[in-house]
Amino acid sequence: SAVISQKPSRDICQRGTSLTIQCQVDSQVTMMFWYRQQPGQSLTLIATANQGSEATYESGFVIDKFPISRPNLTFSTLTVSNMSPEDSSIYLCSVAPGLPNTEAFFGQGTRLTVV
Amino acid sequence: DAKTTQPPSMDCAEGRAANLPCNHSTISGNEYVYWYRQIHSQGPQYIIHGLKNNETNEMASLIITEDRKSSTLILPHATLRDTAVYYCIAPNYGGSQGNLIFGKGTKLSVKP
Repeated sequence: SAVISQKPSRDICQRGTSLTIQCQVDSQVTMMFWYRQQPGQSLTLIATANQGSEATYESGFVIDKFPISRPNLTFSTLTVSNMSPEDSSIYLCSVAPGLPNTEAFFGQGTRLTVV
Repeated sequence: DAKTTQPPSMDCAEGRAANLPCNHSTISGNEYVYWYRQIHSQGPQYIIHGLKNNETNEMASLIITEDRKSSTLILPHATLRDTAVYYCIAPNYGGSQGNLIFGKGTKLSVKP
């Protein structure tokens, strides 16, 4: 299993500003993922963050809006840039061992409110 | 990923078995069925997964039909703490397994 710590757990931000969310894992993992969960909705994958390469973004998400860093095998950051109220969501970090047919683990999420 | 279909909500009496169905009629031969749950305001939690045989762990049992087109997650003795949204996912991993596509899931309400 993997223990994931996300910081901050919640924040209230002004529109037009940016917030960087940190994800720390207690072991080295190959695959890290960022999800968004809008109010009352299910989780949507934002991007896959691989160490040593550019993040791979899903349709509808762009690097300018959600830049991601993955400096090593235990850490990643997601920045929500130039925020608007529509960005108010829970942002979740997830990791996977990189082995076929094993489970993924999730952080507790960052609850972001943009005012 | 194979498309999965789940009922939007279910109720269960505390102490009774909760049986959560999932249809995945387009699942391919190498796609496992995974179940996760999300308790309010928490990150998703892995429950169980299987390919073709029935599986059981300390949390639940997974029954997969012989044709693999549907499955049922069984919580044998549901408690109030099992109230959550349950997601059935059949990902096509291709070697990785974290990029999950979540549907709307089933909101299970366990009532006293």
